[in-house]
Amino acid sequence: DQQVKQNSPSLSVQEGRISILNCDYTNSMFDYFLWYKKYPAEGPTFLISISSIKDKNEDGRFTVFLNKSAKHLSLHIVPSQPGDSAVYFCAASVAGGTSYGKLTFGQGTILTVHP
Amino acid sequence: GAVVSQHPSWVICKSGTSVKIECRSLDFQATTMFWYRQFPKQSLMLMATSNEGSKATYEQGVEKDKFLINHASLTLSTLTVTSAHPEDSSFYICGGRRGLGEQFFGPGTRLTVL
Repeated sequence: DQQVKQNSPSLSVQEGRISILNCDYTNSMFDYFLWYKKYPAEGPTFLISISSIKDKNEDGRFTVFLNKSAKHLSLHIVPSQPGDSAVYFCAASVAGGTSYGKLTFGQGTILTVHP
Repeated sequence: GAVVSQHPSWVICKSGTSVKIECRSLDFQATTMFWYRQFPKQSLMLMATSNEGSKATYEQGVEKDKFLINHASLTLSTLTVTSAHPEDSSFYICGGRRGLGEQFFGPGTRLTVL
C-alpha cells in the first residue's frame, strides 16, 4: 500500500523555467511533509518542509504548496538550474505517538534541467 | 544542517557472511536513528527505528534477527546484516534525528552480496 505517491517518474525542464513536482498521499493522519533531493549513491538532502497547518512554505527558489482537502502537495522550483537535476522525494510523517518521526517516502521523480 | 556519516560506503561480501554498517551523527546527538533500504529505482523503505539505549522497533516484514540494530550511544547506531544473501543486496541509508527536529541522512552504504 503506497501511502505517498509521486506519479511522475521523471520531469524535464529548461533552465530558467519553473519545475513543478507533485506528490499525493492517502493517509489523513499525515501532518508534516518534506521534500528531499537525492543524487545517485548518496543519502537524501533535506530541501523544505511544511506543516499541515500551513498551505504554503517558501525558501529561496523552493516553494511547497499543500492542499489538504485534495491530499496533494507540490514543490515548485523557480528558476530551475542545471544543478537542480536529481531525484526528488516527497515524504510524510505523523506528529506524536509511536509513529513520530517515521518518514514514508514517495517513489521519487527524476528532474532533469537542460541548459 | 547536521552531518551524518556512514561506514563503509560500499561493501562486497560472500553469501552467508555478516556485514556491519555504522552510522554516526558527527555534530549532533541523535536521540533517534532510522534505517532505510532502497532498491534500484524505488523509494526508501523504512526498516527500523531505534532510540538510544533501547531496542529497535522494526517495520512489518523486516526480520529483526537478520537485521540487528544497536544504538548504544547518542552518536552511533549500527546495522548488522547477518548471514547475508544476494537478495539483501541493496542501498542502506541511516537517518538521525535530534529531539523533535528534522531527520538528517547519511550518504548510504551499497551492499553487494555475491
